[in-house]
Amino acid sequence: DAKTTQPNSMESNEEEPVHLPCNHSTISGTDYIHWYRQLPSQGPEYVIHGLTSNVNNRMASLAIAEDRKSSTLILHRATLRDAAVYYCILQPYNQGGKLIFGQGTELSVKP
Amino acid sequence: DSGVTQTPKHLITATGQRVTLRCSPRSGDLSVYWYQQSLDQGLQFLIQYYNGEERAKGNILERFSAQQFPDLHSELNLSSLELGDSALYFCASSVGAKNIQYFGAGTRLSVL
Repeated sequence: DAKTTQPNSMESNEEEPVHLPCNHSTISGTDYIHWYRQLPSQGPEYVIHGLTSNVNNRMASLAIAEDRKSSTLILHRATLRDAAVYYCILQPYNQGGKLIFGQGTELSVKP
Repeated sequence: DSGVTQTPKHLITATGQRVTLRCSPRSGDLSVYWYQQSLDQGLQFLIQYYNGEERAKGNILERFSAQQFPDLHSELNLSSLELGDSALYFCASSVGAKNIQYFGAGTRLSVL
């Protein structure tokens, strides 16, 4: 399974944008890039996913490098509720729907 | 609320015992996934079922087994429990075999 590398932790101020990086240099052409987050004492929650093009939804934006070896999750205005562990995950196209979680980035948001 | 229901929320048992964790997927979802989260291993994929059939398997121990029933609910059976099996067990569901997954609140298993 292709691996992702994320910083262990990041800090942000409330109402400021947050850019969460992820490296996935061994990504294959058919791997989807998914982001999930896990709030304290909850199950993981889907954030966004993409294949090649940048993606936007109501929660966040996903910027994918042209060579697809890295991606960045962008939270446009962090709130205290966004404090969570954010996981960048590669989903192989031909191996069912399994998600292989790494260590993730623990995001703390300061008021 | 994700729409995925897991029971029980907490389970305390002894080594050597057997337990069953239950998961009801969101209405209309055909896929069910099981994950284990422990402090030392993080979140690990165990197994996926799609419409009653096993679709993908992770590092699931032989002591663990799962099934998905015709009404699409799933059960994860853990037997000959060891201290190291203490963990949070999450179930997730998705519409198809590779779609967005919705996670339940988890079952916390404590093996004493």
